[in-house]
This record gives sequence, C-alpha cells and structure tokens, in this order.
Amino acid sequence: EVQLLESGGDLVQPGGSLRLSCAASGFTFTNYAMSWVRQAPGKGLEWVSGISDSGTNTYYADSVKGRFTISRDNSDNTLYLQVDSLRAEDTAVYYCAKGRSPYYTAPFDFWGQGTLVTVSS
Amino acid sequence: DVQMTQSPSSLSASVGDRVTITCRASQSISTYLNWYQHRPGKAPKLLIYAASSLHSGVPSRFSGSRSGTDFTLTISGLQPADFATYYCQQSYNAPTFGPGTKVLI
Repeated sequence: EVQLLESGGDLVQPGGSLRLSCAASGFTFTNYAMSWVRQAPGKGLEWVSGISDSGTNTYYADSVKGRFTISRDNSDNTLYLQVDSLRAEDTAVYYCAKGRSPYYTAPFDFWGQGTLVTVSS
Repeated sequence: DVQMTQSPSSLSASVGDRVTITCRASQSISTYLNWYQHRPGKAPKLLIYAASSLHSGVPSRFSGSRSGTDFTLTISGLQPADFATYYCQQSYNAPTFGPGTKVLI
C-alpha cells in the first residue's frame, strides 16, 4: 500500500523558513517523480514544485522560484521542501504527491494527507 | 503556461443523478488531462488520467472524454461519497489545475 506522510508544517513569521518532509513507503521510490502541491485556505490546488526520479532535475512554479528548494533522499525514501522567505500568501496545506512516471509532469496517482504551513506575525 | 477553466463552479445534485463537469485548456494539450476528487480534510484522489483512462480502484461510474481542448468528467449514478470538489489538471507541461467544481447535495 502506497503511503505518503508529510511533516514539518508550523506557524512561522513572515520572512521565516521551514523544512517540509514526506516519508514514502509501499512503492519503489527511486522509480518515480515526486511533487509538492498546496491549497491555500478557501482556494484550489496549486502545483508548487517537482523533482525527477533521480533528483537530477527540479522544477518550480513562478510563485515560489528562488525561495523554495525541492530535494529527495532516495536512500531514505524521503522528499523534502525547503521553504524560505515565507510570505502570508504561502499559507496553505502542502501535499506530497507521487507521479505515475519518472517525469515531473506525470499525473499524481497518490497523495499524502498534507501538512499546514501558516505564515503570520 | 497552460490555463485551465472549469464549469460550472458548483452544482447541486441528488444521489443517483448523472453529473457532467467540463474543463477547457487554453491551448492544445492532446490527452494530457487528469481529473481529481478532493473531499475536505482528505488527500486528493486521482480518478482519470490521460483524458479517459480510469485510475486503478476507481469505480466505473466515473468516466472522462475529450473533444479538442474541451474535456468532460461524467459521474453516472452519483453516490453519497461523490459529494466533493473535482479538479482537472493538465500534464502537458508545468502542471496547472482548474479552479475546481464543487458538487453539493
């Protein structure tokens, strides 16, 4: 059974940083791209960042480029998102999502339950 | 970026109804279109990928189709568990989602 368990969300002040983690199990982690998708309160889903199966290639939405960094540890089956220079508009539930293939644009066939990031003073 | 629109933004329906949701892409995306179901407080679920392929474990009452840059999700025989928000998403390039369609009782 595929399981994705996010952690690391918290209340943080504007300009602050967090590191989100996603522990994956139930599939061969090294064979699939992974992404982070977020949902701000009362809003829809927004893709934030993706990473290829090997971790060589990373991709970002324009709204987070230069502030967020995606990475993965294939020896530990864990996906990360380092979020820096946080703004109020980054407040959202952040979901970890597994791609159906090694490429980051593949459909997201499994999702975690999400971790809440709140940016407020 | 490919922009996605959906209609309607919400709809009211009853158990057993046939429901149709439409999604339009701002440019040709071939069949790189996926549909997700999202219930409050739950993980989103993939329903349909590649415009019309049913994801494993998804009930056959869900189906998808394409006509050019217009895509349709149909739920044939709405069940209580189907009251949720539905999103289309293009996977032609950097992923983008439609704004969602809320299916209400």
